Amino acid sequence: SAVISQKPSRDICQRGTSLTIQCQVDSQVTMMFWYRQQPGQSLTLIATANQGSEATYESGFVIDKFPISRPNLTFSTLTVSNMSPEDSSIYLCSVMGSSGNTIYFGEGSWLTVV
Amino acid sequence: EDKVVQSPLSLVVHEGDTVTLNCSYEVTNFRSLLWYKQEKKAPTFLFMLTSSGIEKKSGRLSSILDKKELFSILNITATQTGDSAVYLCAVEETSGSRLTFGEGTQLTVNP
Repeated sequence: SAVISQKPSRDICQRGTSLTIQCQVDSQVTMMFWYRQQPGQSLTLIATANQGSEATYESGFVIDKFPISRPNLTFSTLTVSNMSPEDSSIYLCSVMGSSGNTIYFGEGSWLTVV
Repeated sequence: EDKVVQSPLSLVVHEGDTVTLNCSYEVTNFRSLLWYKQEKKAPTFLFMLTSSGIEKKSGRLSSILDKKELFSILNITATQTGDSAVYLCAVEETSGSRLTFGEGTQLTVNP
């Protein structure tokens, strides 16, 4: 199984600022994803983090708001830009296991925007 | 648009009861269906189902997929208070391993 570490685990941010969340995996993985889970709701895919190229964003999510980096096969970052209270969510990093039979999630990063 | 619907949305039972959680889906390019348990932050993987009619079992939990009728069930027998959680169903597409999640079922097991 893949071990996924996310930082920060929790943060309180001021409106208008930006925060970068890091996701580190203990093994090389092909597929990495970023999800958002707003309070009381299910998970929504933000984007697929592509190694060496621009991320692939889902409908409703744009690069200017959620820039993503993936410099190698074990690491990715998601930045939440110009935050507003509506961005208060858990942000989760997800990877496909090497066997292709499981998809794992990190512990999540709980952001509260005040 | 891909869609995953779970029912019930919430369920309250007593310890020892058996529960069945439902998940139906409409996905263009289906690859697999996954069940997760979410207690605090991170969803914990339970099962991945790709073939119809083959039950997957782990302790008191089991799950089966019907690709003809486009649904899956998750059974929990002899429930315990530690089973209290949100159970999420997600469907994976063939292209790119993207997951579409259902709303989840909030299960509460009372002593």
